[in-house]
Amino acid sequence: QKEVEQDPGPLSVPEGAIVSLNCTYSNSAFQYFMWYRQYSRKGPELLMYTYSSGNKEDGRFTAQVDKSSKYISLFIRDSQPSDSATYLCAMSGNAGNNRKLIWGLGTSLAVNP
Amino acid sequence: NAGVMQNPRHLVRRRGQEARLRCSPMKGHSHVYWYRQLPEEGLKFMVYLQKENIIDESGMPKERFSAEFPKEGPSILRIQQVVRGDSAAYFCASSQEYGYTFGSGTRLTVV
Repeated sequence: QKEVEQDPGPLSVPEGAIVSLNCTYSNSAFQYFMWYRQYSRKGPELLMYTYSSGNKEDGRFTAQVDKSSKYISLFIRDSQPSDSATYLCAMSGNAGNNRKLIWGLGTSLAVNP
Repeated sequence: NAGVMQNPRHLVRRRGQEARLRCSPMKGHSHVYWYRQLPEEGLKFMVYLQKENIIDESGMPKERFSAEFPKEGPSILRIQQVVRGDSAAYFCASSQEYGYTFGSGTRLTVV
């Protein structure tokens, strides 16, 4: 079993739809949870960063962490064609050797005009 | 703020040659991470460095791969005697606290 599981999709939605992306994980030591967006031929770009459980909102993006279920989600409201990209979840433990990130494989999203 | 700079963007090497990938972190960032990305495997951690120190190299293959982050100059990921299986995108990231900033990557092709 992989430490982080993420459905690779692809996911295709019409413009304006609400998109739900999620990851599950097995390591209870993870404390920091991140969502990255990666366009083709580019490096990952940090979208959301959350510590421990709870919700965090930034514009059209909302990140949720449920540590009891080992489940994290990213919601995109009013999706736009420019949101078409691969979305990667990543997580890590505390400082020291745990600063390295463990990644999901990424979910490919297409938002159709 | 130029962000994390990686060069070259594309690198073609014949089997047996050496590949050198360079990474200049964001100004003020003292932590550098190298990751490798393959289509079916996703991003895999390779090594974590601070200036003049390797903190965690648990993701580095035991042979042919090395990394450094000198006091002056960029971080270097070096792959000796490359093989076809080394073909991948190699990303560098830097951070001050959490929340990495990634470079655009170097795409290595071994022919």
